[in-house]
Amino acid sequence: ELKVEQNPLFLSMQEGKNYTIYCNYSTTSDRLYWYRQDPGKSLESLFVLLSNGAVKQEGRLMASLDTKARLSTLHITAAVHDLSATYFCAVEKGGGADGLTFGKGTHLIIQP
Amino acid sequence: DAGITQSPRHKVTETGTPVTLRCHQTENHRYMYWYRQDPGHGLRLIHYSYGVKDTDKGEVSDGYSVSRSKTEDFLLTLESATSSQTSVYFCAISGRDREQETQYFGPGTRLLVL
Repeated sequence: ELKVEQNPLFLSMQEGKNYTIYCNYSTTSDRLYWYRQDPGKSLESLFVLLSNGAVKQEGRLMASLDTKARLSTLHITAAVHDLSATYFCAVEKGGGADGLTFGKGTHLIIQP
Repeated sequence: DAGITQSPRHKVTETGTPVTLRCHQTENHRYMYWYRQDPGHGLRLIHYSYGVKDTDKGEVSDGYSVSRSKTEDFLLTLESATSSQTSVYFCAISGRDREQETQYFGPGTRLLVL
């Protein structure tokens, strides 16, 4: 059974600081996804990571994937209030398109 | 934004009644999914479809059925709603056969079962 664990589940930080969210998963997977969700809203795709060593950056967010360690990280650089949201990682099982297994999410609050 | 709509967006129903949620896409994507989101659980896969009339169960399929008679529509039915099915339901779509293809999520349906 594929399990996905995120930590921390809750994070409060100040603007301007850097921090990292971690996502561990239990079995081999071809794809890892990061999503953002604002309160009461749907999920917005941030990154899709396809291979070992993949690194993607968008603004103050950077995601990386280490398939050997079964670990992905989402790094936040010089946080700003607008990045406050819940962040989910999700993993696709096996090689098929049979749905995603999500972590429980990291609720991020960035205070001025 | 991916062309995904869900209906209804909000619904209140009573225990024991049947409920059908609809997901409609305009992207002609092959794969469609139903997830539920509950506090403390993240999102969990209910059912998915890999083509017209081709569906399979996900992690939490008990009490739910699905149908896909057209590429653009994926229906989720609660045969006899229970209070434990109170949740936010999200539909997602994916082309999957393209590199960098992600799963796009619909706006969600908030269901309250009394």
